[in-house]
This record gives sequence, structure tokens and C-alpha cells, in this order.
Amino acid sequence: GNSVTQMEGPVTLSEEAFLTINCTYTATGYPSLFWYVQYPGEGLQLLLKATKADDKGSNKGFEATYRKETTSFHLEKGSVQVSDSAVYFCALIGGATNKLIFGTGTLLAVQP
Amino acid sequence: DVKVTQSSRYLVKRTGEKVFLECVQDMDHENMFWYRQDPGLGLRLIYFSYDVKMKEKGDIPEGYSVSREKKERFSLILESASTNQTSMYLCASSDRGKDEKLFFGSGTQLSVL
Repeated sequence: GNSVTQMEGPVTLSEEAFLTINCTYTATGYPSLFWYVQYPGEGLQLLLKATKADDKGSNKGFEATYRKETTSFHLEKGSVQVSDSAVYFCALIGGATNKLIFGTGTLLAVQP
Repeated sequence: DVKVTQSSRYLVKRTGEKVFLECVQDMDHENMFWYRQDPGLGLRLIYFSYDVKMKEKGDIPEGYSVSREKKERFSLILESASTNQTSMYLCASSDRGKDEKLFFGSGTQLSVL
């Protein structure tokens, strides 16, 4: 069945460092891919998405490119801020299921 | 802005109690969902509903039931709470046909003692 695998956290970075959070997926067909973010004390919210191969999703300085050949959708940001501290979830929909399937989440802690 | 409101932020219950978790959304969304969030396991879908009085099982429905009597309200019921149901419970809603864009509440941390 469909699944999403994320790198384990926590990821601890200093402000202005470069961020990569790895995400790979297993799916039949051609799923759509997403990153959700959960700030402390809040619900998850959609950060960005990509619906087909080679698409790049972007929002708030974050980017992720849908790589079909490596079945990956890694999240990147060139310069993180303390306010980016949150839990990031990779997710997919499509193929054998019409429900979002989430990864386990990666905690990012950015220190000043 | 869409608002999904969960009635309690923290809840402590005893084993065997009947527990109700309430969720209300204010954007006239057709779809509503209940997830539980556990460390190392991510989010797992318990139940969902595409319409009033309609419900479907998700991936882990055992020990839970739901009620959707009104479009804006979706309740999760633990008939007889057990310690392995201690978890963060998240409610979400979405527009019809837009299962991928979910709007989440801030969650209810349930502890069953």
C-alpha cells in the first residue's frame, strides 16, 4: 500500500542555516505530495504541494520538488528562522487511496 | 479564515469511562475527519464523514465510534476508554472533493488513567 517515510528528528539548527528534511514515498500510480506544518499548540496546516512529477511547491521560503525517479519530496529552506520551529509532516494522496497518508513528522528546532 | 474548534485542549478520564470529543467547523465543509497523533506513528485516520449522518471507518476505528447529526459538528466517542487510547486527537475538515486540503483543529490531548 501507499506509505510515506520521513527522516527522524529532532533536527536542531541555528538561525540562518540551510534546512533539508527528507521524505520518500511508496505509491501506486501518480500521487500528489504535500508538506504540512504544525506550530506549537496549533493544528496542522498545509504548507505546500506538488501534483505531478518535476513540479516544485513553494511557500514562505520553503520548497520541495516532486522527484518521481527517486520517489522523493524533500523539504528545503535556504535560511531558517526561529519562527520556523515546528513539526513538519510529509503526506501523499492518490493511487490506491483517496485519503491523505501522513509520515511520522519531523520536529525542527531553530536556535537563535 | 476557516476555523475548526475542538471543545477541550486537555482531558483526563478514567479507564472504562465513556468519552466524547467534540469538533465544530464554521466553513460549511462537507468532509470531516478524526485522527490520532502519536510519537513515532504520525497521524492515523480513525473515522471520517462526507455528509450528515454518514460515517466511514478509517485505518484504526476499533474502540471508537462517531456521530454527525449536523453538518458543522463531528463527535468522536470512546465507548469505554482504555489506557492505550491516551493520545492527541485531531479533528479536520475539508471542502467536497478536496480531501487533500485539510483544515485542522488544535487538538485534544486525552489521558486515560
